[in-house]
Amino acid sequence: AQKVTQAQTEISVVEKEDVTLDCVYETRDTTYYLFWYKQPPSGELVFLIRRNSFDEQNEISGRYSWNFQKSTSSFNFTITASQVVDSAVYFCALSEPVNFGNEKLTFGTGTRLTIIP
Amino acid sequence: GAGVSQSPRYKVAKRGQDVALRCDPISGHVSLFWYQQALGQGPEFLTYFQNEAQLDKSGLPSDRFFAERPEGSVSTLKIQRTQKEDSAVYLCASSLVGWNRGLGEQYFGPGTRLTVT
Repeated sequence: AQKVTQAQTEISVVEKEDVTLDCVYETRDTTYYLFWYKQPPSGELVFLIRRNSFDEQNEISGRYSWNFQKSTSSFNFTITASQVVDSAVYFCALSEPVNFGNEKLTFGTGTRLTIIP
Repeated sequence: GAGVSQSPRYKVAKRGQDVALRCDPISGHVSLFWYQQALGQGPEFLTYFQNEAQLDKSGLPSDRFFAERPEGSVSTLKIQRTQKEDSAVYLCASSLVGWNRGLGEQYFGPGTRLTVT
């Protein structure tokens, strides 16, 4: 069975500080995809990144960076120089392989990030 | 272009009533997913369509839940004889491809918040 654990329920940091959101996953599959989504107060899930299980290179996109470590089954997300607009609930998710390209996602419980001005 | 839209955004139903939730995916998207998000939790998979075919309904919690996508575009999630435990946000997502694993980024709608009293 697939499982995603986001142990940090809530995090608050002062604006401009760096913050890392942790994600640990469990799967028996050798091929899988990991995702991060942002859910602002409006409620709509916003896609941030998809990472293939065979690609362990770290990725950076502006102030966002992701550290994928297969050895520890972790896919952590770091926001550098945080801004108030980063305040949201962040979800880590794992894809489950089924037929016909079905990428149904297993989500963690989310981390509520609050950036204090 | 237009994103995924859902209606109504909010629905209050008395216990025992039937409800119908609508999802308009992005035009041309092959795959359509329904997720249920309870308060303070991550979304949980309900069901998946590829065009008009419902290929996976393993997440539907009971036979009171029924989904359809008759023409391969708009989808309706119907809940019969609603119960209080059905109160949640129902999210719809669509993706462009249905046959190539890992290439179908899921775009989420704003959700329908269902409250059963």
